[in-house]
Amino acid sequence: NAGVTQTPKFRVLKTGQSMTLLCAQDMNHEYMYWYRQDPGMGLRLIHYSVGEGTTAKGEVPDGYNVSRLKKQNFLLGLESAAPSQTSVYFCASSYRWGQRLEAFFGQGTRLTVV
Amino acid sequence: EDQVTQSPEALRLQEGESSSLNCSYTVSGLRGLFWYRQDPGKGPEFLFTLYSAGEEKEKERLKATLTKKESFLHITAPKPEDSATYLCAVRTQGGSEKLVFGKGTKLTVNP
Repeated sequence: NAGVTQTPKFRVLKTGQSMTLLCAQDMNHEYMYWYRQDPGMGLRLIHYSVGEGTTAKGEVPDGYNVSRLKKQNFLLGLESAAPSQTSVYFCASSYRWGQRLEAFFGQGTRLTVV
Repeated sequence: EDQVTQSPEALRLQEGESSSLNCSYTVSGLRGLFWYRQDPGKGPEFLFTLYSAGEEKEKERLKATLTKKESFLHITAPKPEDSATYLCAVRTQGGSEKLVFGKGTKLTVNP
């Protein structure tokens, strides 16, 4: 079982460049999340989606955009990267209803903006 | 605003020395409280889900409990391989179901 897969695992960007992070899940989960993790700050929610075609802002959405065109995929875009976006990015997914609401995480994308 | 606070930030134990980690929460409506383990360079790994006050879950040396305001992760006779950061998260209800995390407790178990 693949679970949650993030692509790429590492990336170095120059300030002002753009990129897209891909998250794919094979568990038929309705909910998907994008987090960033920084030392001393914990996991902070960037954007999330409660279903195909829907997205919502989290705690730190500025500078990021997302899309959920297919249920199994959730894309995170950086239009003009800034050094403050240097971080480790995690994608997660979960069911919406039922007795198993826990989220499962990917292995992360380490992004450095220089 | 939904808040999750974990304490202590860091904890050092000797092998075999039992202790507890705390997760206190203030949320508008709790749909579930989750414990995760995170090893360096990896994504959080799911451990337990607790849904209602009084509920308890166990796995090997770990036991999670839940009250109306906080959760505890009890570690009995820990081993060095239990060293990791333990994260607590809550899933809230009320129109915008978010998954909100605490900052974690870094546990080090010395042999």
